[in-house]
Formats: sequence, structure tokens, C-alpha cells
Amino acid sequence: GESVGLHLPTLSVQEGDNSIINCAYSNSASDYFIWYKQESGKGPQFIIDIRSNMDKRQGQRVTVLLNKTVKHLSLQIAATQPGDSAVYFCAERDRIQGAQKLVFGQGTRLTINP
Amino acid sequence: EPEVTQTPSHQVTQMGQEVILRCVPISNHLYFYWYRQILGQKVEFLVSFYNNEISEKSEIFDDQFSVERPDGSNFTLKIRSTKLEDSAMYFCASTQNLFGYTFGSGTRLTVV
Repeated sequence: GESVGLHLPTLSVQEGDNSIINCAYSNSASDYFIWYKQESGKGPQFIIDIRSNMDKRQGQRVTVLLNKTVKHLSLQIAATQPGDSAVYFCAERDRIQGAQKLVFGQGTRLTINP
Repeated sequence: EPEVTQTPSHQVTQMGQEVILRCVPISNHLYFYWYRQILGQKVEFLVSFYNNEISEKSEIFDDQFSVERPDGSNFTLKIRSTKLEDSAMYFCASTQNLFGYTFGSGTRLTVV
């Protein structure tokens, strides 16, 4: 069934280090993925997306990697800053079903230590 | 940058009362969604809306819930008779073309 999950619920890294947040998904029909950042009391904020015909996409300080063979998605944040502290969610879209809603994973709380 | 706007930011209501949560999606978007997030949990899909009708709804979206797009700009979620377990953050989202879904900042609903 639909399931998007995270390997680790929490992650702490030193400021300036790189961080990697992982996500496993189970729906092989998913064709589009988004990483969202959620700060306390706020809504999910779009970070970066990737379509299933790609395996890597880069943005400013962020890179998303997609491995369809093992249904794995990761978000790499380079040179982390205190403002990167938040909960990060991956979300997948099943293009085949209905209105192409997003299905969210459990989230990983990233803490940047000074 | 265009935003999805939600009001109110916080709503406190008594159990059994009706509440209406309001959203103004981005103006040229065509697909609209409501999600909810119970404290500390993941974001859960409630309902999607396209072409003036519900296109999909989850098991959570029972007969107590309804959505409307009464005019060209607003998108509302109504809960007819609130229960304690309806307490959550409710997020509205929209997308123009099924990519880059934009979320609002949410309404925190507290049922007492």
C-alpha cells in the first residue's frame, strides 16, 4: 500500500557539516517526490523535488538522490546552518491514483549544533 | 512569491460545534487539498478538489467533513460537529499542474 517512511527519526550534526536525510518508499507507481522542511508551528515548505525519470537533482546547498531500484530517496544538505534545524519530510505522488495527492513520510528532526 | 493563505491561524471550539477553516489558494492553481497533522505526527491527506468537485478523500474525511469553493478564490473545510480527536493542524495546499505543491501555514484547531 501507500507508505513513505524515514530510516531515522532524529539527526544531529555540527554546524558547517553536511547532513543526509533518508527516506524509503514502497509505492513503485510513485513518479514524483518532494522534500519539505517544516519549522515549529509552520506549514511544510518546499525544498526540492525530483521526477522519477531522474536520479539526482541539485539546488542551492541541497541535493536529492533517487534510487528507484531500492525505492530510496535522500536529501543532502551541504554546509549546514542553524536555520536548517527543522523537521524534514519526504512526500511521494502516485500518478496513477485519483487526484495525485502527496503521501508524506514520518519526518526526520534535524538539529544543527553550534 | 505567491502564497497559500489560511485563516484563522488558531481556532478553539467546543466539542460538538461546527468550524469552518478557510484557505485562499494561489490564484492560478487548479488542484486543491486539505491535510491535517496531529501534534508530533506526519502530515495526513484528507481530501482533494478539482474542477469544483471532490476527486479523492481519505477514510478520515467522513460525513462530518465537507469542502467548498464558494467563489473563485476561497476554499473551505467545514467540520460539522467537532470531536476532541479533530484537534490538529490543518493545512491547505494547491498546485497548478500537479508539481510543486504549495502549503499554507496552517490552522491550529483545538477542540475542548
